[in-house]
Amino acid sequence: QSALTQPASVSGSPGQSITISCTGTSSDVGGYDYVSWYQQHPGKAPKLMIYDVSSRPSGVSNRFSGSKSGNTASLTISGLQAEDEADYYCSSYTSSSTRVFGGGTKLTVL
Amino acid sequence: QVQLVQSGAEVKKPGASVKVSCKASGYTFTSYYMHWVRQAPGQGLEWMGVINPSGGSTTYAQKFQGRVTMTRDTSTRTVYMELSSLRSEDTALYYCARDPYSNFPSRTFDPWGQGTLVIVSS
Repeated sequence: QSALTQPASVSGSPGQSITISCTGTSSDVGGYDYVSWYQQHPGKAPKLMIYDVSSRPSGVSNRFSGSKSGNTASLTISGLQAEDEADYYCSSYTSSSTRVFGGGTKLTVL
Repeated sequence: QVQLVQSGAEVKKPGASVKVSCKASGYTFTSYYMHWVRQAPGQGLEWMGVINPSGGSTTYAQKFQGRVTMTRDTSTRTVYMELSSLRSEDTALYYCARDPYSNFPSRTFDPWGQGTLVIVSS
């Protein structure tokens, strides 16, 4: 099972919106609405931000949203804030009943 | 509140095995799947497998088939991940992570344990 494809880095200025893509295949991202997104600050454990493509856990800011089109899922962060600077990972369920992560995207807030 | 507390760091020689524990509290242990994820230094997340604490059934990533064993002890509310035939590439931070929803298939990870550093070195 190959890792999902994410851009290595994205950046944006405070207040702007950014989108991180996560591309897989019809055997994972495209085949199920089971994509989730995780935020990881340096030295910390990951934190769930979005699950099942577009659902937000309680306590997560509504500045974070998710979507999917075909084999590509996306995480959008609006109204960028300094504390959003972190690594972001997508994950998907697969047709082999396994799970797979993306390679991760480093978000820099300029 | 839900807490996952993992065992301490380990240093192992190549070829040896390591067994990492993850003790859960704050919820009904048998109601939520538990996953194991690892992260090599400076690298991304890698899913290793999942265990159903209720019946003990497991699913492993193909990469680790034959080398990993996940078990649980319901009396102590603890899940274990044992990795054998260790090599230097297995040096990583190993996390347990609970699925917060009682969905099937289990596909979400939150919260995460604090991580257990396993160093494989001769």
